[in-house]
Amino acid sequence: KNQVEQSPQSLIILEGKNCTLQCNYTVSPFSNLRWYKQDTGRGPVSLTIMTFSENTKSNGRYTATLDADTKQSSLHITASQLSDSASYICVVSGAGTASKLTFGTGTRLQVTL
Amino acid sequence: KAGVTQTPRYLIKTRGQQVTLSCSPISGHRSVSWYQQTPGQGLQFLFEYFSETQRNKGNFPGRFSGRQFSNSRSEMNVSTLELGDSALYLCASSLASAGQGAYEQFFGPGTRLTVL
Repeated sequence: KNQVEQSPQSLIILEGKNCTLQCNYTVSPFSNLRWYKQDTGRGPVSLTIMTFSENTKSNGRYTATLDADTKQSSLHITASQLSDSASYICVVSGAGTASKLTFGTGTRLQVTL
Repeated sequence: KAGVTQTPRYLIKTRGQQVTLSCSPISGHRSVSWYQQTPGQGLQFLFEYFSETQRNKGNFPGRFSGRQFSNSRSEMNVSTLELGDSALYLCASSLASAGQGAYEQFFGPGTRLTVL
């Protein structure tokens, strides 16, 4: 069964600090992995999309890594800001007959003063 | 360029009723996907339409159905509503189907459905 697991479930950090969110998946065959940011009450917004040939991708202060061999990804947030408080969702797309998107349950990040 | 729009934004229904939600994708996008989001389950995939054809379907009962029109606008219908159908329903559009490559999905603001 295709699954995406994220850790931690929730995280509280001080403004200005860095943090790393984890995503492990079992989707096979693999096509691409996405990270989304979702503010409370709003639709998710795409941060990065990576295919199996990409190891690292950045979007401003967000850097995603992908290890397709171990089926792991991480999202690193640098110099956090209060506006980073949101849920971060890892989504994996399979290839061929497994082409549906499989969503993780997300990590809820709270950035405090 | 206008984003994905969903109507209505909020809806209150009673058990047993049916509801139709609407989604207008970004101009030029031919793929529309629907998701249900609840606090306990996260985002759950309902179905995806591409060029008026259902491409993928999630594990939801037949009470959940959808369709896509020639202008790529999509509707989702839920019949015989149950209390557990209360959720945020999100639609997302992209240039192509998820199975066709790493196409970015753009989400709408969602429709908040409450079933009493």
